[in-house]
Amino acid sequence: GNSVTQMEGPVTLSEEAFLTINCTYTATGYPSLFWYVQYPGEGLQLLLKATKADDKGSNKGFEATYRKETTSFHLEKGSVQVSDSAVYFCALREYGNKLVFGAGTILRVKS
Amino acid sequence: ETGVTQTPRHLVMGMTNKKSLKCEQHLGHNAMYWYKQSAKKPLELMFVYSLEERVENNSVPSRFSPECPNSSHLFLHLHTLQPEDSALYLCASSQGQGGAFFGQGTRLTVV
Repeated sequence: GNSVTQMEGPVTLSEEAFLTINCTYTATGYPSLFWYVQYPGEGLQLLLKATKADDKGSNKGFEATYRKETTSFHLEKGSVQVSDSAVYFCALREYGNKLVFGAGTILRVKS
Repeated sequence: ETGVTQTPRHLVMGMTNKKSLKCEQHLGHNAMYWYKQSAKKPLELMFVYSLEERVENNSVPSRFSPECPNSSHLFLHLHTLQPEDSALYLCASSQGQGGAFFGQGTRLTVV
């Protein structure tokens, strides 16, 4: 079946460092891809999405590009802040309404 | 505020109790979901409702019983739960190929 694999965390960075969280997927066809963020004690929030190959999703300084050739959707941010500390989930939408999530990557940003 | 509201936020129940979790969305979405989030485990999709019909049931034990009376409301009825059912239960909704919007979750503790 379809699956999503994320890099294991936690990822610990200093403020203003460059962030990359890797995400690769296995799917039949061309699913839509998403990044979600979960702050402590909260539900998941949609961060960005891409619906077809070569699409770039972006929001709040975060970016991810849908790479069909490498089946990847890596999350990047040029300069992280302490407030970006959270858990980040990569996900794909299968045919129909089912969302498949990766295991999540904890990001800790130190001042 | 994501437009998806879950109540209660916290629930402690005994193994012989019966309780219900409530989810409400006024985003006009036509699909609603229940997810279970346990410590150190990936998000588990429990149920999917599309246009008020259950379209997915991921081998969830019968002690969890969903109900979707209309497109805006989703319930999860709980009875004779086990301590291992303690987790964060997340409700989400979506429309078409857009991303899902999540509620803040109900933190359930079974004692």
